[in-house]
Amino acid sequence: EIVLTQSPVTLSSSPGEGAALSCRASQSVGNNYLAWFQQKPGQAPRLLIYDASTRATGVPDRFSGSGSGTDFTLTISRLEPEDFAVYYCQQSATSPLTFGGGTKVEIK
Amino acid sequence: QVQLQESGPGLVRPSETLSLTCTVSGGSINPYYWSWIRQPPGKGLEWIGYIHHSGSTNYNPSLQSRVSISLDTSKNQFSLRLTSVTAADTAVYFCARGGGWLPRFWGQGALVTVSS
Repeated sequence: EIVLTQSPVTLSSSPGEGAALSCRASQSVGNNYLAWFQQKPGQAPRLLIYDASTRATGVPDRFSGSGSGTDFTLTISRLEPEDFAVYYCQQSATSPLTFGGGTKVEIK
Repeated sequence: QVQLQESGPGLVRPSETLSLTCTVSGGSINPYYWSWIRQPPGKGLEWIGYIHHSGSTNYNPSLQSRVSISLDTSKNQFSLRLTSVTAADTAVYFCARGGGWLPRFWGQGALVTVSS
């Protein structure tokens, strides 16, 4: 199975700052079928990015995804108050589907 | 806009079977993949398995001996059964509709506690 390792585990930032979240795969993710989800307390995960760099419908353009193969990044250009949450990467290239352990973006 | 709603018992005894149903509204079962995903309290996400609208299934090897997913197209529902549960199966269980395998649209989740 493809193991996804996210870093950092916790990112402390202030509103208006940028943030870069990393997701590293144990083997190449075919077709770059790598997605990013945002989860807030008590809510289901929300799809932000799929196919490594395609924004899902309704996702603000301050969210962008990049990378290929085994190294992927989610970038938030300017943090808004509603962006403080946990972010998960997920691969759909190989069964079993797997998720990273998550990065918590918290207010500094 | 498709909506998914999980339902089922919130408490299951150890060694018994966990059963959940996901009701789909605002869309058809065809031609999608339908997944179950779980999240233990305070922890990360684990994919359980999916069923395709054709009826084919694929399960996480870590759960394969205990899990089954079925489909009822007449009711626009799909279901999860997990046998021989233990406290480690306590989690919020989410159902989701795939775009391909990707779980794109999610239900709100249902907490299932395994306890005597």
